[in-house]
Amino acid sequence: LAKTTQPISMDSYEGQEVNITCSHNNIATNDYITWYQQFPSQGPRFIIQGYKTKVTNEVASLFIPADRKSSTLSLPRVSLSDTAVYYCLVGDRNTGGFKTIFGAGTRLFVKA
Amino acid sequence: EPEVTQTPSHQVTQMGQEVILRCVPISNHLYFYWYRQILGQKVEFLVSFYNNEISEKSEIFDDQFSVERPDGSNFTLKIRSTKLEDSAMYFCASRPEGAGAGELFFGEGSRLTVL
Repeated sequence: LAKTTQPISMDSYEGQEVNITCSHNNIATNDYITWYQQFPSQGPRFIIQGYKTKVTNEVASLFIPADRKSSTLSLPRVSLSDTAVYYCLVGDRNTGGFKTIFGAGTRLFVKA
Repeated sequence: EPEVTQTPSHQVTQMGQEVILRCVPISNHLYFYWYRQILGQKVEFLVSFYNNEISEKSEIFDDQFSVERPDGSNFTLKIRSTKLEDSAMYFCASRPEGAGAGELFFGEGSRLTVL
């Protein structure tokens, strides 16, 4: 499984766009990139998944450059309730699903 | 919206006691997982389960741990003889056939406190 590296923490203010970048230099051809969000004392929640270029849903956008060695989760106009830990995961959609491994994640603090 | 449910939400036990944590995965899901999270630390993979057998397990999942799907709806994690260091939040997760390596659906967790 490809190792991921994310910033330990980030601060932002309400209404700003937040971009969290994840490095995954050893990503394999079959690997997808998945982001989860976790609030204190709750289970992680799936946010978005992508393979290349750009993916957007109602919560976030995921930007993946052509070499796929990094990815950026973009949260538009954050609010206080977006304060959470965000995890970047990389793995094969098929076999990797048996052992989905979480890294340390990025703690995002959104201030008023 | 269907969800993964876990019981109990909090259990306090004495060191050396057996504990069973219960999970009801989403009904059409076929892959089941247990994770744990020690306070302030990252989410750690314990075990995955598919087709009524363990698919993968981590080094944490030693002989003190076992999983079972006793009746087609419940998925349980048993800790045979708890240790102080087993105190953590335990999360159950499930995913359907065909979903990617992501898209795990997590329960709210069971907090285990070992005294």
